[in-house]
Amino acid sequence: KQEVTQIPAALSVPEGENLVLNCSFTDSAIYNLQWFRQDPGKGLTSLLLIQSSQREQTSGRLNASLDKSSGRSTLYIAASQPGDSATYLCAVMEYGNKLVFGAGTILRVKS
Amino acid sequence: GAGVSQSPSNKVTEKGKDVELRCDPISGHTALYWYRQSLGQGLEFLIYFQGNSAPDKSGLPSDRFSAERTGGSVSTLTIQRTQQEDSAVYLCASSLLTGPFTYEQYFGPGTRLTVT
Repeated sequence: KQEVTQIPAALSVPEGENLVLNCSFTDSAIYNLQWFRQDPGKGLTSLLLIQSSQREQTSGRLNASLDKSSGRSTLYIAASQPGDSATYLCAVMEYGNKLVFGAGTILRVKS
Repeated sequence: GAGVSQSPSNKVTEKGKDVELRCDPISGHTALYWYRQSLGQGLEFLIYFQGNSAPDKSGLPSDRFSAERTGGSVSTLTIQRTQQEDSAVYLCASSLLTGPFTYEQYFGPGTRLTVT
């Protein structure tokens, strides 16, 4: 059974700092990996999707990497801003198109 | 264009009552998914539709849960004889199954269900 783990569970940083969120998964037979953002009381917003054949994806200040063989992904956020404060979720897609989620990292960026 | 919409946004019901949750996917998306987010369990998969058929119902927690999709569009998740442990946020997502970003799922705002 696929298990997804995110470290750290919570992170508090001053504005302007670069930071890394970590995600690991136990079964490398995945189709893709997706990073989401969730604001309190809201749904999920897709940030980046990395296909299983890709190594990384970039969008603005965000960069996500994927090492499928070792079962790891990282989300790098450059020059963090208070508006980045949210819960960040990592999810892997398995056969059957279902996403298996990690528990998330709660990020707080202090101004 | 319009995203995934869900209704109602909040639902409070008494234990033992039946509830129906609705999802309108993004127009043209052939795949539709239901997930549940609860404090103790995190985000978990419930069911997946491809068109009107459900190839994977493995995540439905009990036979009190059912879902249908009509016309390849709107989906309804029904919970019969609700229990307090059904209290959670129910999230719907949709996706295309072709294209360069195959399988990217787009989520709706969710329905918060509270069973009293």
